[in-house]
Amino acid sequence: SQQGEEDPQALSIQEGENATMNCSYKTSINNLQWYRQNSGRGLVHLILIRSNEREKHSGRLRVTLDTSKKSSSLLITASRAADTASYFCATDADPGGYQKVTFGIGTKLQVIP
Amino acid sequence: DAGVIQSPRHEVTEMGQEVTLRCKPISGHDYLFWYRQTMMRGLELLIYFNNNVPIDDSGMPEDRFSAKMPNASFSTLKIQPSEPRDSAVYFCASSLGASSYNEQFFGPGTRLTVL
Repeated sequence: SQQGEEDPQALSIQEGENATMNCSYKTSINNLQWYRQNSGRGLVHLILIRSNEREKHSGRLRVTLDTSKKSSSLLITASRAADTASYFCATDADPGGYQKVTFGIGTKLQVIP
Repeated sequence: DAGVIQSPRHEVTEMGQEVTLRCKPISGHDYLFWYRQTMMRGLELLIYFNNNVPIDDSGMPEDRFSAKMPNASFSTLKIQPSEPRDSAVYFCASSLGASSYNEQFFGPGTRLTVL
C-alpha cells in the first residue's frame, strides 16, 4: 500500500516563480526522501530529511517535515524550465521498516519559460 | 561508474511470450530493487535483494513474475507468460545500504508493451 501521497497532482507555473509540493503519509517514519523524474527517465534522488529534522536545504530546494501532521513539503525557489519534471516523496514502507521505501503518486510540475 | 544499466530499453512482445528484463547495478551496491511504473498504479516495488538474496517479493503480482540475482552484478526479471496488463515501464534501482537511509540510483527503465 502507498504511504506517501503528493499534492497537488499537477502544477503549472511561470519561470522564476516558486513551486511548492506537499506529501502526506500515514504511519511513523525514519526518513523521508524526495526524488525527481524527468520524462522518460529514471528517478533521481534530491534530498533526504530525517524524522528528527524540521527543515533542510539543498541549493534552490527547501524541504520541511512536520511529523505531528505527517506531512512534508518541497519548495523549489526561482524555478527554471529545466525543473519541469515529476516529483515524488518516498517514505519507509512500514513502521520501523528501513530496507525499502514506498513512493507516492507524484506531482507533475510544468515550468513555463 | 556508468550507473545502473538496464536492457533492453524497449520491448514489444505478443501476449503469451516470455519476457526477460536485465539489470546491472552500480558496483559495490548491496541492495537491488525492481519497480514497475504505470499511470494507474504509480511506482510499485516488485521485489528487492540484499547481497543477492531476495528479501521481499510481496510486490510481485503473480506467479508469472520471477526475479533472480545470480551474482552481485546482474539481475533478471522474467514474465512468463506475458499479458497486455503487464505493459509498463520497469525500473531497476540499487543502493549502498538500506533505501530508507540511502539514496537509490535508478536505471533508465525498460518500456514493455505486450500486444
